[in-house]
Amino acid sequence: QVQLVESGGGVVQRGGSLRLSCAASGFTFNNYGMHWVRQAPGKGLQWMAFIQYDESKKYYADSVKGRFTVSRDNSRNTLYLQMNSLRLEDTAVYFCAKDHPDWGFDYWGPGALVTVSS
Amino acid sequence: QSALTQPRSVSGSPGQSVTISCTGTSSDVGGYNYVSWYQQHPGKAPKFMIYDVSKRPSGVPDRFSGSKSGNSASLTISGLQAEDEADYYCCSYAGSYTFVVFGGGTKLTVL
Repeated sequence: QVQLVESGGGVVQRGGSLRLSCAASGFTFNNYGMHWVRQAPGKGLQWMAFIQYDESKKYYADSVKGRFTVSRDNSRNTLYLQMNSLRLEDTAVYFCAKDHPDWGFDYWGPGALVTVSS
Repeated sequence: QSALTQPRSVSGSPGQSVTISCTGTSSDVGGYNYVSWYQQHPGKAPKFMIYDVSKRPSGVPDRFSGSKSGNSASLTISGLQAEDEADYYCCSYAGSYTFVVFGGGTKLTVL
C-alpha cells in the first residue's frame, strides 16, 4: 500500500533554514509528480510546491517562491523541501502528497510540524 | 483569504443530505474540470474524496458526489452519517502560473 512519511520538522528561529523529507513506498515513485501542502494551526490547507516525476517542472506558491526549493531523489524514493529565510507565518504542519494521474492529491503523509520562533 | 470560497460551516441530521459549495473564477474552477475535494478529521491528514469534478476514488462511498456549474463546484453528501463530521476542502487547478488553489474549508456538523 502507498505510504508517505514526512520527517525533519522541528523548531527553528526566524530567518533560519530547515529541510523536510518525505519517504515514499508502495508505488513507483519515479512515475509520479509530488506536492507539498501546509496547514497553519487552526487554518485551512495551502498548496506550497509541485515537482514533476523527472524534476523537469517545478511550481511554487507565491508566498514561498525564492525561499523554498522542492527536489527529489528517485533512487531513494524521497521528496524534499528546503526551506530558507523562514518567517513566523511559515509555522504549519507540512504534508507531502502524491499527484493523482488525472488531477488531485490521492495519498498524503501524516505531516511534519514546523514551528518558526522569534 | 482563500482563493476559493466555501461556507464556514454546514450541518445536517443523520440520513439527510448536505451540499457544500465552492466558488472560484473562470481562471480556476470555471476554466478546468480539475476540481477535487478532501475530507479531514481533526489531527489527521486529508483524504481524497472526489477528483475531476465528479469522480470518486475507489473506496469512497457513493453517498459522496461532486458537480460543477460555471465558476462554482459542489460536494453533496447524502445519507449523512456520524463519521462524515469533518472539515471539507475543495481544490482546483488554476493554470500554469498559480497552479493550485484551495478553498478555506467547511466544517460539517452531523447533528
